[in-house]
Formats: sequence, C-alpha cells, structure tokens
Amino acid sequence: QLQLQESGPGLVKPSETLSLSCTVSGGSIRSSSFYWGWVRQPPGRGLEWIGSVYYSGSAYYNSALQSRVAISPDTSNNRFSLRLSSVTAADTAVYYCARINYNYLYYFDLWGQGTLVTVSS
Amino acid sequence: DIQMTQSPSSLSASVGDRITITCRASQSIGTSLNWYQQKPGKGPILLIFAASTLQSGVPSRFSGSGSGTDFTLTISSLQPEDFATYYCQESFHTLIFTFGPGTKVDIK
Repeated sequence: QLQLQESGPGLVKPSETLSLSCTVSGGSIRSSSFYWGWVRQPPGRGLEWIGSVYYSGSAYYNSALQSRVAISPDTSNNRFSLRLSSVTAADTAVYYCARINYNYLYYFDLWGQGTLVTVSS
Repeated sequence: DIQMTQSPSSLSASVGDRITITCRASQSIGTSLNWYQQKPGKGPILLIFAASTLQSGVPSRFSGSGSGTDFTLTISSLQPEDFATYYCQESFHTLIFTFGPGTKVDIK
C-alpha cells in the first residue's frame, strides 16, 4: 500500500522560505502513471492546490503562487519537495502531499496526513 | 481561471437522510469534476472522479452526476461516518486544479 509522508519545519519566519518534503513508500515516484502534488489548507478554511510535478521534473503551478513556488522530484530518495519563498502569515496552513492519478482525467487518489506550517516571527 | 462554488456551505441532517450537495463551475468543464470527503484532522479521501465514477472502495450510497457547469453529489442514506466536509474539484485543464469552498455536513 503506497503511503505519503510530509516532513519539514513546523515554524517559518516571515519573508523566509518554506521547505517541505514528501516521502513516498510502497511505490516509486518514477512510475510513469502518476504525477505528484501539493495542496494546502489554512486553518478552518478550504483546500488550495499549490502545484504538481512529474518524476522527470516537469511541473505545473497555481498561477496565484507561481512566482514564489517550486516543486521538484528527488528520485534518488523517492520523494518530492516544495519550496515557497517570501512567506507571510497568509501561508500558514496544513500542507498535504498527494498522488495524482489519471483515468479520463486527473485526480488526487492518495493523500498524506498533512503537516501544519505556521508563519510567525 | 475556473471558479468553483458549492451550495449549501453547510447542512444539518439525520442518519438515514438523503442529501444532495451542488457544485457549479464558472465555465463548462464537461465531466472533469471530482468529489472528496474530509474529516477533521485528516487528509481528503477521493469519492468520485469524472463526475460520476465511484472510486474503488467507496460505498454505493455515494453517487455523482452532472456535466457542463452543474454537478451534484448525493448520499442516499446518510451514515454516522459520513458527517464530514465535502469538496468538489475541477480538472478541466491538464494538471491545473481548483477546489470548491466545501460543504460541511453535520448532525441535526
């Protein structure tokens, strides 16, 4: 059973860069069948897609975050990472990583448990 | 960008009730619509993809319908474990996603 686990600092200072990793177990991110993505959820609010990446490195980003975000694969360690620069309090959220599957269309079929990142000095 | 709305934003229902949640897209998206369930403190779970296809392992009391701009998620007989927040999500443009704001279903 494939599992995803987020990791990274739970506290980031304003203006700094948020960095998270998602380690995949029970399967390989090099699979040609899947993309991998990040979704976040501010406390008490809804879900926001951040971006998606293929194992080759091709990536797609939310236009609202595109200038600050980078998602990259690390095939050697079977994980993928998120970097979000120049963070503010508005970036405080639970960050989820997820697998993106395809069957007529793309959808998120497996999710990590999420990790809370707080932006505060 | 495609905008998604959901109605109602919340609803109260009893075990055994039939409930329907509506999702609307700001432009026609065919059947490129997915539904997720999220419980407090947990990651979302995929219920339905392509508007009406039930994800493996999801109970048959869940069903989805619609195309174009208007979609519905129906739970035919609400069970205690179904009290949660439900999100629609569009996948019209390849690998670009937008979620709806969510509908919270709680116990009456």
